[in-house]
Amino acid sequence: EAGVAQSPRYKIIEKRQSVAFWCNPISGHATLYWYQQILGQGPKLLIQFQNNGVVDDSQLPKDRFSAERLKGVDSTLKIQPAKLEDSAVYLCASSLVLMLGTGTGELFFGEGSRLTVL
Amino acid sequence: AQTVTQSQPEMSVQEAETVTLSCTYDTSESDYYLFWYKQPPSRQMILVIRQEAYKQQNATENRFSVNFQKAAKSFSLKISDSQLGDAAMYFCAYSSNYQLIWGAGTKLIIKP
Repeated sequence: EAGVAQSPRYKIIEKRQSVAFWCNPISGHATLYWYQQILGQGPKLLIQFQNNGVVDDSQLPKDRFSAERLKGVDSTLKIQPAKLEDSAVYLCASSLVLMLGTGTGELFFGEGSRLTVL
Repeated sequence: AQTVTQSQPEMSVQEAETVTLSCTYDTSESDYYLFWYKQPPSRQMILVIRQEAYKQQNATENRFSVNFQKAAKSFSLKISDSQLGDAAMYFCAYSSNYQLIWGAGTKLIIKP
């Protein structure tokens, strides 16, 4: 079974430029998450989708970040314009179920996209 | 609001020995789930073990086991017979619904 695919793995841009990250979740997983992980910290949820609807985007900086999950499968996270503090690893994860305590309740992660903003 | 605290930023252990990573959480819920995730260097995060709060029996997965103390709101991870491949960041996480609350992580170093 294929895992969560993310691209690009690495991206270096200058501040005020834009960048987009792509994620393809495990087939059949209805729930998709975008996390921001700054070095030495735990993951911070940016946005959570259930199919193509947004469950939680309370911590997404909407003035510069946007995300979409058209057709309820793959997803794109965009940053425009980027700031220095956006340097982080952007993790995409998917799960079979929305309620993490039910069923297997497991998140499957991609390898992440490391962004460096100069 | 629920919180998860990992008070050990870094731990080290000799290969083949046992190490315990600490995690405490705060919640007013009675039904919830706790997780330990492992993030090896430059590799993806994977689930190590999970515990349902309604179960009194501590979860085990091969060399990994937890000590779940519900009244104390404590959820520690014990790794027995530590191996070089166990070197990673370990994150404790809590969920009572669709949200996952993460701790800051503990970096585990394995000394050969």
